[in-house]
Amino acid sequence: DMKVTQMPRYLIKRMGENVLLECGQDMSHETMYWYRQDPGLGLQLIYISYDVDSNSEGDIPKGYRVSRKKREHFSLILDSAKTNQTSVYFCASSWTGGVQNTLYFGAGTRLSVL
Amino acid sequence: GDSVTQTEGQVTVSESKSLIINCTYSATSIAYPNLFWYVRYPGEGLQLLLKVITAGQKGSSRGFEATYNKETTSFHLQKASVQESDSAVYYCALNSNYQLIWGSGTKLIIKP
Repeated sequence: DMKVTQMPRYLIKRMGENVLLECGQDMSHETMYWYRQDPGLGLQLIYISYDVDSNSEGDIPKGYRVSRKKREHFSLILDSAKTNQTSVYFCASSWTGGVQNTLYFGAGTRLSVL
Repeated sequence: GDSVTQTEGQVTVSESKSLIINCTYSATSIAYPNLFWYVRYPGEGLQLLLKVITAGQKGSSRGFEATYNKETTSFHLQKASVQESDSAVYYCALNSNYQLIWGSGTKLIIKP
């Protein structure tokens, strides 16, 4: 079954707390992505990972870091969350070869930072 | 930079009526971008609906169609007769260098 799973689906945190968003995929895709989407905006790329321990910044990496120790698992970490990081976060995966390949997405995590 | 603009917010269509969601793009970094429509059904992740990689070509899937028009830089999504099961958020996107550039999404609401 081709699936990308995000946990948790909903999360409320206080400003200054640490946040861990988890993403897993069962397709052995090399490439994984973290996006955020805010109202009225398109998805914005935070980080892209080309394989284990091979991560690159996207367009808006500030305030975030990632970890990929296994091919099937990609984490997004917010150290000391800020209120402007309230958003919906999407994880995705794809085969290597560029974004002309289909991206497979998780259902998203809605994060509120109070 | 490259950008995608699509019908903002939400669109309400009566069941069995026709639908058009507008998408226009600006591509300065790539002459012939690949164009995509993704869809997100309630409670699910985005999934590819259709893609077209050649200007002038039409893509189709699940009754939806979109034609890659390089002259008008458009890739509008159309369906002749919508159903309740089409209720979802639709995203237009293009590839730019190493990533996708996304529109803001259009929520489709179907009226019974």
